[in-house]
Amino acid sequence: NAGVTQTPKFRILKIGQSMTLQCAQDMNHNYMYWYRQDPGMGLKLIYYSVGAGITDKGEVPNGYNVSRSTTEDFPLRLELAAPSQTSVYFCASSYRDGTYEQYFGPGTRLTVT
Amino acid sequence: TQLLEQSPQFLSIQEGENLTVYCNSSSVFSSLQWYRQEPGEGPVLLVTVVTGGEVKKLKRLTFQFGDARKDSSLHITAAQPGDTGLYLCAGSNSGSARQLTFGSGTQLTVLP
Repeated sequence: NAGVTQTPKFRILKIGQSMTLQCAQDMNHNYMYWYRQDPGMGLKLIYYSVGAGITDKGEVPNGYNVSRSTTEDFPLRLELAAPSQTSVYFCASSYRDGTYEQYFGPGTRLTVT
Repeated sequence: TQLLEQSPQFLSIQEGENLTVYCNSSSVFSSLQWYRQEPGEGPVLLVTVVTGGEVKKLKRLTFQFGDARKDSSLHITAAQPGDTGLYLCAGSNSGSARQLTFGSGTQLTVLP
C-alpha cells in the first residue's frame, strides 16, 4: 500500500493564482483531513470529510475549498492565493473518527509571493 | 476553541539524558495522541491514551494521561540521537467527527 500520497511536493504561486493540492489514500479510510503547519506551530485543521460526498469546515477554512467525490481522493483548492497561505499542507486519513490513528502524507510546501 | 500548550518549545540534550515533555489544556479531551514528526515528513502516531490516569510504555518512552484528562506527559529515558524530532500532542474533542486539536510541538534534539 502507498498509504497517503500528496502532489505536488513543492509549489510557488503568485498572489491571486489558483491551484489544487492533490491527496489520495489507498487504505479505504472514510475519514480524511487537510491541515496546514506554519513554522514553529502545530497543525491546524482546514477541512475534513467523513465520507464521499460529505465535507465540513475545520478551524481555518477561509480561502480554501474541498470536494470528496470518491473515498480515495480529497483535493484542496486555493482560489486566490495570498501570502498568508504560505505554509506546509498535510493530508491525512483515518479508519474512523479522530480517536483513531491518523495517517499523514509527506506534505506539500507552498510559497505564495 | 480547545487549546493545547506544549512545553518546552525547544529542548536540546546529550545522549543518555532523561527528559519530560508536557502537554496541558484547560479543556477535557476524550482521548489524546502523541505524534513524532521528522523533517520533510508527516507526523507518525506514537501512542493513544484514553483513560484518565492511564500510563503507556513504548520501549524507552512513557506516556501518561492526567486523571482529569486535561493534560499529558511524555518521558524519554536515556535519550538517543534517533529520538530527535518534533513531538506533537493532539487531543480529540467530543464532536461528531472528533477532530484532533494539535499542540504547537516540542522540538527535541539529542546530541551524540
